[in-house]
Amino acid sequence: GAVVSQHPSRVICKSGTSVKIECRSLDFQATTMFWYRQFPKQSLMLMATSNEGSKATYEQGVEKDKFLINHASLTLSTLTVTSAHPEDSSFYICSARGTSGRVTYEQYFGPGTRLTVT
Amino acid sequence: EDQVTQSPEALRLQEGESSSLNCSYTVSGLRGLFWYRQDPGKGPEFLFTLYSAGEEKEKERLKATLTKKESFLHITAPKPEDSATYLCAVRVSGGYNKLIFGAGTRLAVHP
Repeated sequence: GAVVSQHPSRVICKSGTSVKIECRSLDFQATTMFWYRQFPKQSLMLMATSNEGSKATYEQGVEKDKFLINHASLTLSTLTVTSAHPEDSSFYICSARGTSGRVTYEQYFGPGTRLTVT
Repeated sequence: EDQVTQSPEALRLQEGESSSLNCSYTVSGLRGLFWYRQDPGKGPEFLFTLYSAGEEKEKERLKATLTKKESFLHITAPKPEDSATYLCAVRVSGGYNKLIFGAGTRLAVHP
């Protein structure tokens, strides 16, 4: 149990375009999803927290108009990087917290998405 | 300010050489301490959650313990496949279930 998937695993896009990353909880209902970014040899930096059906809560310094987060269902959240620039190149990872029956799953992470903006 | 510090930053062990990784924390109200393993280019893999001082959990060669100020991840007789970055994170009260991560310990186990 507690499998989280991400798609795509790698994406290369041109500067100025937008990219959408999907995060799915496969075997539990994710009431809360989290989006992180990670630079090489650094730890995870939380970007935003989203609860199903609500607007995302962004961390200080994260532009909500640039990183659009949608959590429309209990199994799917999306992160859209709008007007991407080379400095947005990074490893983006989602995690999900939720339940399946009486079992509560703490934060389980997806495999990550490597974004390269050229 | 809530803070999580991991030490050492990097650790090199010979196969079979047991050791411990440390995670010290200063938080306003602990609601869980988490250990994850992360391999290069992959998302973190959940290992343990500890909730109260004195609690211990084990999984294969790994054992996690918790006190009021720190947690240890003990690795017994490590193998090369245990090489990874080990991340510690805390969940604090009033934080909407978000985790605060330490910088991690990069472990390399050599045959």
